[in-house]
Amino acid sequence: NAGVTQTPKFQVLKTGQSMTLQCAQDMNHEYMSWYRQDPGMGLRLIHYSVGAGITDQGEVPNGYNVSRSTTEDFPLRLLSAAPSQTSVYFCASRLAAGYNEQFFGPGTRLTVL
Amino acid sequence: AQTVTQSQPEMSVQEAETVTLSCTYDTSESDYYLFWYKQPPSRQMILVIRQEAYKQQNATENRFSVNFQKAAKSFSLKISDSQLGDAAMYFCACLTGAGSYQLTFGKGTKLSVIP
Repeated sequence: NAGVTQTPKFQVLKTGQSMTLQCAQDMNHEYMSWYRQDPGMGLRLIHYSVGAGITDQGEVPNGYNVSRSTTEDFPLRLLSAAPSQTSVYFCASRLAAGYNEQFFGPGTRLTVL
Repeated sequence: AQTVTQSQPEMSVQEAETVTLSCTYDTSESDYYLFWYKQPPSRQMILVIRQEAYKQQNATENRFSVNFQKAAKSFSLKISDSQLGDAAMYFCACLTGAGSYQLTFGKGTKLSVIP
């Protein structure tokens, strides 16, 4: 099993550009989520999904979109990048919403100029 | 919604010594889990130890143990015989079983190990 994979590892964008951060897991997990990590802020939840076709907002959803068309994939879309979105992004998954072991991807470092 | 507070932004420990990282949390739920994650410079999030709230016995994993004080809503991590490889950011986190099942993180403690 590859676990949770994320692409790209690094990305530089200009203000106003759009892009998609990819996340995939091969563990047949129902629950997937996206976090952003900023210095001194810990990890904050952006969006999450409890299963294919079901998504919901987390603590900091503004400026981001998600969809979940398959169990395996959970892409995060930045519609119009802003410097405030410069961060490290982590995708995570766990077997089900109530299950307690969560697996993290390696992260994507995004810089918006 | 739950909150997690780590009051020590940075700590240091001598190699082979013991260090304790503090964490307090607040949740109105009776069913929850608590975690400590390690994040080395590689950025990978690594689960160090977990504690189920319904268990009174403190969790241990080799050199890592917790002091879980449920009434005080405290969940500290003790690292014994500290090693250079323990140097990392450590995050405390809480997962509740109700609503959105969100995993909420503290802001982290940066641990340095002095040779």
